[in-house]
Amino acid sequence: AQTVTQSQPEMSVQEAETVTLSCTYDTSESDYYLFWYKQPPSRQMILVIRQEAYKQQNATENRFSVNFQKAAKSFSLKISDSQLGDAAMYFCAYRSANNYGQNFVFGPGTRLSVLP
Amino acid sequence: DVKVTQSSRYLVKRTGEKVFLECVQDMDHENMFWYRQDPGLGLRLIYFSYDVKMKEKGDIPEGYSVSREKKERFSLILESASTNQTSMYLCAHSGDRMGQPQHFGDGTRLSIL
Repeated sequence: AQTVTQSQPEMSVQEAETVTLSCTYDTSESDYYLFWYKQPPSRQMILVIRQEAYKQQNATENRFSVNFQKAAKSFSLKISDSQLGDAAMYFCAYRSANNYGQNFVFGPGTRLSVLP
Repeated sequence: DVKVTQSSRYLVKRTGEKVFLECVQDMDHENMFWYRQDPGLGLRLIYFSYDVKMKEKGDIPEGYSVSREKKERFSLILESASTNQTSMYLCAHSGDRMGQPQHFGDGTRLSIL
């Protein structure tokens, strides 16, 4: 079974600075998808960024980018020019591509605080 | 915009009550999920459904059941609520095409007294 680990329960960053959230996963599969989700306080969880394992190029969405290291099974999220609205819980998630694929595996989350 | 509606944001029930949590999606997606979210534990899958009347147990199905009579609606049922079921419950759905992400509802914060 796949597992997802986020080793940083809490992190903080100064407004306008850059922060990197860590995620590692364990799988024996070669084809899969990885996601970062953001859950602001008392608000809906939304998708931040998505990475396909067969693509070597790291995904980027505006101020959010990932560092995907397939061999190391590492999938970190970099937030540049941090804003107060980035304060949230961030979850890393894995989705298999080799079976029917309904199931997602989530990490425990990292709570990010943004300091003004 | 993708819409996932959970019937209640906050709910307070008593021990032993039968509790229904409803979730409705408007994307015509095949897959629907119920998660439980607790601090430090992340999201734990209770049940998922990949089609009408089809369901599969997740990681923590004990004490819960589900119903999917229509494609757009997925219900979570606590047969006899207990205090250890006090939690945040999240509904999600996704399409069948490989790599599609999940879309989440606002969540229901359920308190069992």
